[in-house]
Parts: sequence; structure tokens; C-alpha cells
Amino acid sequence: DIQMTQSPASLSASLGETVTIECRASEDIYSNLAWYQQKPGNSPQLLIYDANSLADGVPSRFSGSGSGTQYSLKINSLQSEDVASYFCQQYNNYPPTFGAGTKLELK
Amino acid sequence: EVQLQESGPGLVKPSQSLSLTCSVTGYSITSNYWGWIRKFPGNKMEWMGYISYSGSTSYNPSLKSRISITRDTSKNQFFLQLNSVTTEDTATYYCARLGGYFDYWGQGVMVTVSS
Repeated sequence: DIQMTQSPASLSASLGETVTIECRASEDIYSNLAWYQQKPGNSPQLLIYDANSLADGVPSRFSGSGSGTQYSLKINSLQSEDVASYFCQQYNNYPPTFGAGTKLELK
Repeated sequence: EVQLQESGPGLVKPSQSLSLTCSVTGYSITSNYWGWIRKFPGNKMEWMGYISYSGSTSYNPSLKSRISITRDTSKNQFFLQLNSVTTEDTATYYCARLGGYFDYWGQGVMVTVSS
């Protein structure tokens, strides 16, 4: 299975700040990577697919980038509603595998 | 709008079978792929398997001997059965539509395995 190493595990940031979360795959996943946001008590919501494509209805302050084994999710101008957990998922190989998640809190 | 809703018992005894239903509205399960994912306490997530538009299935090798995913197209539902559960199967179980990534998810159902 492809291992997804996500960092940091937790993050504290101020409103308006730019935040970056990273995922590293154990082998090349050819941009077959998604990012999700999960708020407490809610189901995960797709943010980004194909490493850099914004899902429908997702604010443009979210963006994804990367290639090969290294990928990142950037949140520009952090808003209070962005407090959540974020995790990555590769779908280049079966079984699909997930990062361990990043918990984002307000400073 | 595509909506998914899981249902099933929240408590299962060790060695018994876990059975969950995913009811889909707004989209036919005879299109696309439909899967089960679980999130363990501690937040690790695991893809369990899927059933395709044609009824074919694929399972995570870690579960292959214990898992079965079936469907009822007349009710637009698909099902998860996990046999011989242990306390390590305690998790929140989600159903989702997949096309590689998961674009629609159910709300999840928490299942505890305990005697």
C-alpha cells in the first residue's frame, strides 16, 4: 500500500493568515491526490482533487499543488469557518490510502 | 443533489457480523462506484471496499476474508457486511460515492464492538 505522510499533525494560526499542510506519498502518485475538510460531527467534504482542482462550491482561498510524491494544501486568508481537520488521500493505486490528518485551530 | 445516509446498529458484539445500509438519493447506484470507508478512534481512515455500477466489487486486502458489499438497485441501496468483528473494528463507518476520490459522503454511523 502507498503510505501517505501528512504534516503537521496540528496547527494553530490566526485569522487572515496563510496556512500550508503537506502530504508526502511513499511513491509517485501522479497527482492522483485529494484533500478533504472535516468539521467535528460532520462528514468529510471534498476540497481538492487531481492535486490542484477545486471541488464545486469550495472557496477560492483553498488551493492545492504538487507533483510526484510531494503535495500541499494552502489556505489563504484563514477564516473562522476553516477550523477543522484536513486530510489527504491518494487514488493512484488500490487500495486508496489516507494521510493521518491535520487539526487546524485558531490562535 | 446526491445524498447518502448510513443506517445500522451502533453496537455489535465481538465475533458477530456488522451490517450497515447506505441509502442513496438523487443519483442511481447503477452509475459510478460506491464505497465504504471507516475512521477509527485516533482518526486513522481506511478504505474498505466498493461496489461498482455493474455490481462488481473490490475490497481492501486487509479485510478481504471478512467483508462483503452488496446492493439492491430497486431501493437504490448498498450494504456492508463485516464478519467476525473484534474491538478493533470499532469506528465511524461512512458510505461515499467514488471516482478515485470521494465526492459525496454520508454522515457516518458510529459502531462500537463490545460485549
